[in-house]
Amino acid sequence: NAGVTQTPKFQVLKTGQSMTLQCAQDMNHEYMSWYRQDPGMGLRLIHYSVGAGITDQGEVPNGYNVSRSTTEDFPLRLLSAAPSQTSVYFCASSPNIGLSQDTQYFGPGTRLTVL
Amino acid sequence: AQKITQTQPGMFVQEKEAVTLDCTYDTSDPSYGLFWYKQPSSGEMIFLIYQGSYDQQNATEGRYSLNFQKARKSANLVISASQLGDSAMYFCAMRETVKAIYNQGGKLIFGQGTELSVKP
Repeated sequence: NAGVTQTPKFQVLKTGQSMTLQCAQDMNHEYMSWYRQDPGMGLRLIHYSVGAGITDQGEVPNGYNVSRSTTEDFPLRLLSAAPSQTSVYFCASSPNIGLSQDTQYFGPGTRLTVL
Repeated sequence: AQKITQTQPGMFVQEKEAVTLDCTYDTSDPSYGLFWYKQPSSGEMIFLIYQGSYDQQNATEGRYSLNFQKARKSANLVISASQLGDSAMYFCAMRETVKAIYNQGGKLIFGQGTELSVKP
């Protein structure tokens, strides 16, 4: 049982490049989400999903796309990277569809730098 | 809209002493959950403790306890007998219950965090 896994751990991009951050969980969790963490700003929600085929926007969705074709995977796509997207990205999952008592489990994070 | 506020950017505590990290929240939903996470310098997010809005008693997990004052909308984390390994960022978070319409509720929203430093 690996929990929530993220790849890559580190990535450097040039402005305008595209890439996909991978996230997978093996706990059969319905709810998955992506956050970015910037100094002094805590974790801000980018996108989330309550199940395969269902996604929605969080607080800071601009510049990011997501899809959820399976329960296990929830990739985050940067279509045209910008320096403002330099951040640490966390993927997380929780059981059910996001009940208030559901603990959210986090992946180890991806540190992204956009030059 | 739900909101979490942590007003202490940084805190210092002497080893073996207790420390309280403040958290206030705002929501109009009667059903919600409050969470605390620890983030050490290595970067991972570690779940510490949970308090439900309908729970009658304050949550406790080992040296961690949550001072839940519902009327004041506060959910402070108390760490007893601080250890050097407690030095980390601590985040308060809140989750409203998911509604029948999926884009309402269910989202876990975080405060800005408090950096705790434990002195030997």
